[in-house]
Amino acid sequence: RKEVEQDPGPFNVPEGATVAFNCTYSNSASQSFFWYRQDCRKEPKLLMSVYSSGNEDGRFTAQLNRASQYISLLIRDSKLSDSATYLCVVNLAGAQKLVFGQGTRLTINP
Amino acid sequence: DTAVSQTPKYLVTQMGNDKSIKCEQNLGHDTMYWYKQDSKKFLKIMFSYNNKELIINETVPNRFSPKSPDKAHLNLHINSLELGDSAVYFCASSRGWMGNEKLFFGSGTQLSVL
Repeated sequence: RKEVEQDPGPFNVPEGATVAFNCTYSNSASQSFFWYRQDCRKEPKLLMSVYSSGNEDGRFTAQLNRASQYISLLIRDSKLSDSATYLCVVNLAGAQKLVFGQGTRLTINP
Repeated sequence: DTAVSQTPKYLVTQMGNDKSIKCEQNLGHDTMYWYKQDSKKFLKIMFSYNNKELIINETVPNRFSPKSPDKAHLNLHINSLELGDSAVYFCASSRGWMGNEKLFFGSGTQLSVL
């Protein structure tokens, strides 16, 4: 089983829609979780950290389910500018590193 | 001011050559990294340094040699370049070294080996 797994997509959704994607992780001892955003030919940038109780940042909501070992990202009222690849990132407990998922490619259509 | 800067942005070279990529961060972070993103877009850690000390060395051919002259700089030298080395290489930094803090990335170096 891969350390971090995401559905690569692509997800194509109309502007204004709500879209959600999950990411599963294999190491039950992982403590730190993030969502990064990567635009085409650019570097990854932190979108948001994921906290145990779930957290929201504007139109974005992140949740953690420790029992099932997955994190999720929900985007409400999607904008054209949300088109990007979303990377799930999990720390590998004991190995002092963050592991990236393959990324989920999202395209918002007008 | 760019927080994490790496040069060059593009590097096109012949097989067998030796090349270097430089990275500098002005965030005052203690830890720096090299990541490789291949054609399938997987982003994988290669090395991490904390305050000039090597922390992580993933299974990377020894043709790749990182060097950290101080905690603000981490360079990557690659000997005898091979076709399979073609990828985008990202430098990154973080405040701590435990592997649980957010990363700040440079804009990447696209390496093409012909």
